[in-house]
Amino acid sequence: DTAVSQTPKYLVTQMGNDKSIKCEQNLGHDTMYWYKQDSKKFLKIMFSYNNKELIINETVPNRFSPKSPDKAHLNLHINSLELGDSAVYFCASSQDPGGGPTKRAKNIQYFGAGTRLSVL
Amino acid sequence: DQQVKQNSPSLSVQEGRISILNCDYTNSMFDYFLWYKKYPAEGPTFLISISSIKDKNEDGRFTVFLNKSAKHLSLHIVPSQPGDSAVYFCAAGSGTYKYIFGTGTRLKVLA
Repeated sequence: DTAVSQTPKYLVTQMGNDKSIKCEQNLGHDTMYWYKQDSKKFLKIMFSYNNKELIINETVPNRFSPKSPDKAHLNLHINSLELGDSAVYFCASSQDPGGGPTKRAKNIQYFGAGTRLSVL
Repeated sequence: DQQVKQNSPSLSVQEGRISILNCDYTNSMFDYFLWYKKYPAEGPTFLISISSIKDKNEDGRFTVFLNKSAKHLSLHIVPSQPGDSAVYFCAAGSGTYKYIFGTGTRLKVLA
């Protein structure tokens, strides 16, 4: 039973299209994340939600819109896809980390298998 | 500006020997560090972590060392096994939900 699952695993689409990637976690975690791994292998955070509230919003084009219908789901919708959006997108989840380095063990992030997006 | 750097993109080690993966960081505010392991077509999986109040953490064959003055951490795998062949990412964070990841080091353990 997969802890963090993303669908689809592969997504090939044309420039200008709108697409969504879904993510679900069954770990009972409070916080979910979207990361982008580009061609240079940088794994960069895009968004994070804690109990359905947006807590991290990095410098990401507003064509990217996360949606969290409940704390077990965090979907990523991308409008007007561009060639540069081609990447692997990873969803992750963690428990609420609390404060201080001694409590940080709660913020172990568990990742999904990734969605490889190819924009043609 | 890449705050977390893994300068060795790849490393090959004989089975049974020690693997040492290195990671450097620039932000002195980082106070928690993690290592993740990633197999092809899978997401990163948590391996081991260390907080800034420690300089060593050990879990079985895996040990992470932290040198705060040098802003350097390393992951030691002893003995290395073929199943350890994967990409290893280090990550660093400071008081928030956000971690900064390195670009990874591909470890190949030769049988």
